[in-house]
Amino acid sequence: DADVTQTPRNRITKTGKRIMLECSQTKGHDRMYWYRQDPGLGLRLIYYSFDVKDINKGEISDGYSVSRQAQAKFSLSLESAIPNQTALYFCATSGVGTDTQYFGPGTRLTVL
Amino acid sequence: GENVEQHPSTLSVQEGDSAVIKCTYSDSASNYFPWYKQELGKRPQLIIDIRSNVGEKKDQRIAVTLNKTAKHFSLHITETQPEDSAVYFCAASKGRGGADGLTFGKGTHLIIQP
Repeated sequence: DADVTQTPRNRITKTGKRIMLECSQTKGHDRMYWYRQDPGLGLRLIYYSFDVKDINKGEISDGYSVSRQAQAKFSLSLESAIPNQTALYFCATSGVGTDTQYFGPGTRLTVL
Repeated sequence: GENVEQHPSTLSVQEGDSAVIKCTYSDSASNYFPWYKQELGKRPQLIIDIRSNVGEKKDQRIAVTLNKTAKHFSLHITETQPEDSAVYFCAASKGRGGADGLTFGKGTHLIIQP
């Protein structure tokens, strides 16, 4: 779905580095989400936001922070990356009054 | 918090046969249950969903059933085709449209044998 984009698509970094993953959407949706996918574990919710002033922790928020710069942009930061944060990260959006969450293409992050 | 269990982890069926994937959830307040299909290297895509005020929903070869009392829901795919091969995830959520975020099962790798 080209309406939800993520940058970068792939990133390799070293332990201790600060990393930012970005998500943009042109759907006009209010709600945005960050999930992490690990093999055999499904997707797990990291943070979610209902609007610019409303940020909520998900199931696995430790070690992560987020910023909702505008309705269309939601960034995920790893302040000091560690190897067990190696995973596939997905952004998703959903609109008020709709049920469906639309996923971005994902960012594959490797922490060495 | 919510916990979603999904079975089986791998399912192999002959082309043309039916496939059933089952999920259970723990939080009786959950009211939205989507199913996502994820092909290799791709993003998850919604294939069907059901709300707690409905017991069954069907869309062509795909159907979902929900038993609120037992807290389980199932995905049924009939007349399976090679393009149905993928990983399928169930999920559960409270709030309108999964507003509070989705809790996913660990996935089922569906293999369609020719």
